[in-house]
Amino acid sequence: DAGVIQSPRHEVTEMGQEVTLRCKPISGHDYLFWYRQTMMRGLELLIYFNNNVPIDDSGMPEDRFSAKMPNASFSTLKIQPSEPRDSAVYFCASSGVGGTGGNYGYTFGSGTRLTVV
Amino acid sequence: AQSVTQPDIHITVSEGASLELRCNYSYGATPYLFWYVQSPGQGLQLLLKYFSGDTLVQGIKGFEAEFKRSQSSFNLRKPSVHWSDAAEYFCAVPTYGGSQGNLIFGKGTKLSVKP
Repeated sequence: DAGVIQSPRHEVTEMGQEVTLRCKPISGHDYLFWYRQTMMRGLELLIYFNNNVPIDDSGMPEDRFSAKMPNASFSTLKIQPSEPRDSAVYFCASSGVGGTGGNYGYTFGSGTRLTVV
Repeated sequence: AQSVTQPDIHITVSEGASLELRCNYSYGATPYLFWYVQSPGQGLQLLLKYFSGDTLVQGIKGFEAEFKRSQSSFNLRKPSVHWSDAAEYFCAVPTYGGSQGNLIFGKGTKLSVKP
């Protein structure tokens, strides 16, 4: 298995532009998580899905952030419009096998380093 | 709410020396507990996990961790550190303590290894 695949690895964009981050979870995993990592705040959960349904989006900073999971093999995190304070590394992780629950250990992607200038 | 604390932000050890990274959690019952490692520019990798049973758990790369209920701790240890162990280490606990929900991560401990 190729693991959790995120794209792009690096993204540099100008303030006000739309940014879309992509994630392909491990096949068979039924939980998908989006985290943001910064020096100041560490790892923060933004949103997570179970069987493609958003379960908890309380970590999404504001309406500029949105996430979708149209099917079991793909998720996107969109920021529109982007701001410099959104600069961070965004991680996607997947977990769980067939309803066993999400916490048998996550598998993380390599992350997307976003820089908004 | 659940929480996890890693008291040490940065630790430096000599290669070949032993290592212990501290983790304290806040939860009313025995939670699931995890340790992850993050190498520079990489995502987090699961080192080991504790669910129940034997309080000493073995993980990958020669790491182990011991769950101590009386101290609400889950410290990570390695008897002899290698230069390749230099990375950042995160302790984590689920939001609801068990198999459901998301993980809450500590702030991390950065490990440097001296030759």
